[in-house]
Amino acid sequence: RKEVEQDPGPFNVPEGATVAFNCTYSNSASQSFFWYRQDCRKEPKLLMSVYSSGNEDGRFTAQLNRASQYISLLIRDSKLSDSATYLCVVNIAGREYGNKLVFGAGTILRVKS
Amino acid sequence: DARVTQTPRHKVTEMGQEVTMRCQPILGHNTVFWYRQTMMQGLELLAYFRNRAPLDDSGMPKDRFSAEMPDATLATLKIQPSEPRDSAVYFCASGPRTAFRANEQFFGPGTRLTVL
Repeated sequence: RKEVEQDPGPFNVPEGATVAFNCTYSNSASQSFFWYRQDCRKEPKLLMSVYSSGNEDGRFTAQLNRASQYISLLIRDSKLSDSATYLCVVNIAGREYGNKLVFGAGTILRVKS
Repeated sequence: DARVTQTPRHKVTEMGQEVTMRCQPILGHNTVFWYRQTMMQGLELLAYFRNRAPLDDSGMPKDRFSAEMPDATLATLKIQPSEPRDSAVYFCASGPRTAFRANEQFFGPGTRLTVL
């Protein structure tokens, strides 16, 4: 079983739609969670961290459910520029791991006019 | 605007040749990572360094891959000999020193490697 699993999509949505992605992780000791965004043929970039209480950044809302070991990302009022691959990322716990992150394979989002 | 830089951006080589990829992390970052990305496997961690010391290279095929940090401003990833299955995009990333943002990683633009 992969450490971080995501639905690869693609999710094809019209502009203005609300879309949600889920991600599950296998290591119950994981401590930090993130969503990265990767545009076609570009490098991944941090979109937002995911906090236990849930957090919002403009049109983006991230949620964490530790009991079920899943993370979600909600995008409201989708824009064409939101089209990208969204990577779910988990920090493996433990002092020896330092900054080690494990990336999901990504979910493709295509927003169409 | 501080960025991670990588060279070369593209590399086409023949099977059996040596390939060296270079990375300059963001000044002041104390962790450096090498990743490989393919359509089939996604983003895989190959190796990472903290304060120039290798911390984990379990994701790297040891017989042909090697990673080093000769100084704080340079990280290298070498493949010798290269094989067609090594064709991928290789990303370098660095992470900042401060505890609060210790988990954010900044990626370079990648080296797109094609081994014929």
